[in-house]
Amino acid sequence: EVQLVESGGGLVKPGGSLRLSCAASGFTFSSYSMNWVRQAPGKGLEWVSSISSSSSYIYYADSVKGRFTISRDNAKNSLYLQMNSLRAEDTAVYYCARDKSPQGVAAAGSHWGQGTLVTVSS
Amino acid sequence: DIQMTQSPSSLSASVGDRVTITCRASQGISNSLAWYQQKPGKAPKLLLYAASRLESGVPSRFSGSGSGTDYTLTISSLQPEDFATYYCQQYYSTPVLFGQGTRLEIK
Repeated sequence: EVQLVESGGGLVKPGGSLRLSCAASGFTFSSYSMNWVRQAPGKGLEWVSSISSSSSYIYYADSVKGRFTISRDNAKNSLYLQMNSLRAEDTAVYYCARDKSPQGVAAAGSHWGQGTLVTVSS
Repeated sequence: DIQMTQSPSSLSASVGDRVTITCRASQGISNSLAWYQQKPGKAPKLLLYAASRLESGVPSRFSGSGSGTDYTLTISSLQPEDFATYYCQQYYSTPVLFGQGTRLEIK
């Protein structure tokens, strides 16, 4: 069974940093592109970033470009999101999601974690 | 960037009704469109991908159609568990964008 478990969320002050992790199991992690998607309280879904299976291709939403860094460790079956210079508008539940197909990157997410809440507030 | 316009933003319907939600892209996306269902406090669930392909385990009352810029999600006969929020997502190019969501409520 595919499982994705996010961790690392919490309360952080504006300008601060946080590193999210997503532990994957139940599939060959190194074969799939992975994504971060966030959802602000009471709002819709917003794609944040995607990384290809071998980390060769990385994409970011304009809203986080230059502040967030996506990475992965295929040996540890883990996905990461380093978030720097955090703003109040980054407050959201952050989900990691696996692409449905081993081919491509930044595609439909077939499996999602339960999410981790990041709150940016003074 | 490809913009996605989803409509309606909310919808009231009854059990047994047929419901249609539409998503329009600002340019052609070659069927690179997914539909998700989300219930309060839960992660999104993939319903359809490639515009019309049903994800494994999803009931056949859900169907998708469309091409070019215009796509549709249809629920043929609403069940109580279908009342949720639905999102479309284009993945033809980055930035990947979701529609604004359609909240489906019980009439």
